[in-house]
Amino acid sequence: NAGVTQTPKFRVLKTGQSMTLLCAQDMNHEYMYWYRQDPGMGLRLIHYSVGEGTTAKGEVPDGYNVSRLKKQNFLLGLESAAPSQTSVYFCASSSDRALQETQYFGPGTRLLVL
Amino acid sequence: RKEVEQDPGPFNVPEGATVAFNCTYSNSASQSFFWYRQDCRKEPKLLMSVYSSGNEDGRFTAQLNRASQYISLLIRDSKLSDSATYLCVVNLGLNQAGTALIFGKGTTLSVSS
Repeated sequence: NAGVTQTPKFRVLKTGQSMTLLCAQDMNHEYMYWYRQDPGMGLRLIHYSVGEGTTAKGEVPDGYNVSRLKKQNFLLGLESAAPSQTSVYFCASSSDRALQETQYFGPGTRLLVL
Repeated sequence: RKEVEQDPGPFNVPEGATVAFNCTYSNSASQSFFWYRQDCRKEPKLLMSVYSSGNEDGRFTAQLNRASQYISLLIRDSKLSDSATYLCVVNLGLNQAGTALIFGKGTTLSVSS
């Protein structure tokens, strides 16, 4: 049981390039989330999904797109990377919307946009 | 106003010390509360949930005061391994899809020998 995994662990992009971050979970969780973490800003929700085929915007969705074609995978896309998207990206999952349910995080992807 | 506020620290304490972290939240409709721990360059991990009656897990005690919208975490007999950033987390319990966890910026603890 690997929990939540993220690919890649680290990436350097040039401004304008595109890339996709992959998140996979093997806990059969319905809910998946993408966050970014910046110094002094804390974790901020980018997009989330409540099930296969559904996605929704979080607090900071601009410049990102997501897809949830399979229950176990949640993809985060950057169509045209900007230096402001330099950050650490965390994926998380949870089993249901029960209020005491915790979210399980992946190890993170460090992205540098030059 | 930031939804979840924490003293960023850092808190520098010797081994064996007792240290307390405080957190305030702005949304009175917040439904549930957590403390997460994040080690340097690692992902956040749940440390403990926080219940209205207060709860304890070994050396860690969490308290919630809904009237004051205040959450605390007490660590007794600090260990070197407690050095980390502690995130105060509030669940707004949105009725729509998903649960919305709001994270504080974290309080950094450094325990020295």
